[in-house]
Amino acid sequence: DIQMTQSPSSLSASLGERVSLTCRASQEISGYLSWLQQKPDGTIKRLIYAASTLDSGVPKRFSGSRSGSDYSLTISSLESEDFADYYCLQYASYPWTFGGGTKLEIK
Amino acid sequence: QVQLKQSGPGLVQPSQSLSITCTVSGFSLTSYGVHWVRQSPGKGLEWLGVIWSGGSTDYNAAFISRLSISKDNSKSQVFFKMNSLQANDTAIYYCARKVRGAMDYWGQGTSVTVSS
Repeated sequence: DIQMTQSPSSLSASLGERVSLTCRASQEISGYLSWLQQKPDGTIKRLIYAASTLDSGVPKRFSGSRSGSDYSLTISSLESEDFADYYCLQYASYPWTFGGGTKLEIK
Repeated sequence: QVQLKQSGPGLVQPSQSLSITCTVSGFSLTSYGVHWVRQSPGKGLEWLGVIWSGGSTDYNAAFISRLSISKDNSKSQVFFKMNSLQANDTAIYYCARKVRGAMDYWGQGTSVTVSS
């Protein structure tokens, strides 16, 4: 199975701050990576797919990128509704696997 | 708009089976597949399996012996069944629509506790 190592596991940041989260794949996933946001009520929303394609309706302050086997989600300027849990998902090969998550908290 | 609504029990006895129904609206099951994922404190998010629009299925090998996914296109319902549940199957179970970029819309989740 492909392991997705996500970092950091938690992050404390301020409104307006720029933050980046990273997932490293244990094998080649060729950009087949998605970023998900989970709110405290359990609601899950996809933000990005194919490593860097923004979902419709997702604010442009979110962006995704790739550098080798490292995939990043960047939020350019944090807003209050962005404080949530974030997960990466590789869908290059079965079984699809998720990162361990990043809990983004308000400083 | 696209919605996936889940219904199922909150409590399952050890060794018993879990059945969850995912009722979809805003799209047709003849055009889209549906994935199942669970989330537990111990193992995080785990992909369990998928039913394709044509009705074929793929399962996580770790669950293949006790997992079944089926559907009724006419009722817009997908059925999830897992057998022989144990305490470590306690989790929130989600269905999600299958698209090219993995999964886009998710159900609200079904919290399942395995306990006597």
